Amino acid sequence: AQSVTQPDIHITVSEGASLELRCNYSYGATPYLFWYVQSPGQGLQLLLKYFSGDTLVQGIKGFEAEFKRSQSSFNLRKPSVHWSDAAEYFCAVGGYNQGGKLIFGQGTELSVKP
Amino acid sequence: EAGVTQFPSHSVIEKGQTVTLRCDPISGHDNLYWYRRVMGKEIKFLLHFVKESKQDESGMPNNRFLAERTGGTYSTLKVQPAELEDSGVYFCASSRNIRDPDGYTFGSGTRLTVV
Repeated sequence: AQSVTQPDIHITVSEGASLELRCNYSYGATPYLFWYVQSPGQGLQLLLKYFSGDTLVQGIKGFEAEFKRSQSSFNLRKPSVHWSDAAEYFCAVGGYNQGGKLIFGQGTELSVKP
Repeated sequence: EAGVTQFPSHSVIEKGQTVTLRCDPISGHDNLYWYRRVMGKEIKFLLHFVKESKQDESGMPNNRFLAERTGGTYSTLKVQPAELEDSGVYFCASSRNIRDPDGYTFGSGTRLTVV
């Protein structure tokens, strides 16, 4: 079955500290992988995506993610967190053979301590 | 270009009532998707329109939910009668081409509370 697991429901980091949010997926075909962020009152904003090629992808707001096929993982990282990064983060997997629909993880809520 | 617009942003209704959610996709986007997030759970796919046709409605929970997209423009999602477990945030997304999933744009969602 296709699924996405985000093991951490809530993470708190200090401002300026590094961040890694975990994502593991199960998908039968070559996956398209995504990270979205949702700030309060906002829609889902795409941070970055992986389709093929270089397994380290850069996104907006200084985020990056690395696709590791052997580990079925697509972890999101940021070297230095800012207070404005506090939000909920969602990992998702999809593919053309799915008609473009996405399968999401449960989300990880990030809190940032001053 | 204007984004995906959803309204209302919030709706509180009593169990047994009817609620209609609306989504206006980005102009020219043939693909329109509805998703739902029940509290504490993952965001789940409900259905996919291509223009006015339902391409995939495998995620619709039951026959109390009716989605339409007349004329291939805006879409409505009606819940009738609403139950407590229907509470959650309903997201709409649109894209021009399903071969380009990163062309998805999500709306801000409608938070539905059934009391």
